Amino acid sequence: DAGVTQSPTHLIKTRGQQVTLRCSPKSGHDTVSWYQQALGQGPQFIFQYYEEEERQRGNFPDRFSGHQFPNYSSELNVNALLLGDSALYLCASSLGHLRNSPLHFGNGTRLTVT
Amino acid sequence: GIQVEQSPPDLILQEGANSTLRCNFSDSVNNLQWFHQNPWGQLINLFYIPSGTKQNGRLSATTVATERYSLLYISSSQTTDSGVYFCAVDSNDYKLSFGAGTTVTVRA
Repeated sequence: DAGVTQSPTHLIKTRGQQVTLRCSPKSGHDTVSWYQQALGQGPQFIFQYYEEEERQRGNFPDRFSGHQFPNYSSELNVNALLLGDSALYLCASSLGHLRNSPLHFGNGTRLTVT
Repeated sequence: GIQVEQSPPDLILQEGANSTLRCNFSDSVNNLQWFHQNPWGQLINLFYIPSGTKQNGRLSATTVATERYSLLYISSSQTTDSGVYFCAVDSNDYKLSFGAGTTVTVRA
C-alpha cells in the first residue's frame, strides 16, 4: 500500500525563481492538502484540492498556486520566490467525501531559497 | 480562526517514564488529530480523536470536546518516542490548524 510520495526531497532555488513541487496521494485517497512548515513551527495550511478544484485556501499570497490531476496527484507552484519561502513543504492526502478523514502526510520537500 | 495551544513546549524524559501532553482549543471542533514528527521531519498520524478515548500500544489519547481540550499519554517512554508532537484541529472547514507542538526528548 503506497503512502503519500513527494518529489523532490530537497531543492535549492534563487530569490525570484519559480518552483514546482509534486505529490502523489496514498492509494485510495482523492484529496490533497499542502502545508508549509517553517523551522521550529507547526505546519500552516496552504490549500486543499478535491475533484481537481481548490476547495479551501489558507492565508497565502497568489504566488502560491496549485493543480490536481485526474489521477488525484497534485502540484504546488510558487512564483517569485522570497527568502521567507524557505521551509519544509508537506503534502497530505485524505478521503474528500469524509469531512473528518484522517490526514496522511508525505515526507516533505525541503526548499531553500538563497 | 481557531486557536490551538499545546503544553508544555518542551519535555525531557528518562527512558521508561510516563508523560502527559495537553492541547487546548478555542472553539468546538469536528476533527482533532495528534501527530508525531520524528527528527527526520516525517509526520505520522497517531490518533484521529474528536471525542472520547483511544489507545494504541503505549500511547493513548483522550478528548473532552465539551471542555475543549485533548490529552496525549505516553507510557514507558522509549528513545524512539523523541520528536515533536502536534495537535491539529478543524472546526468547520477543510483545513487543520496546528499547535506549536511539544518537543519531547527521551534520554537513555
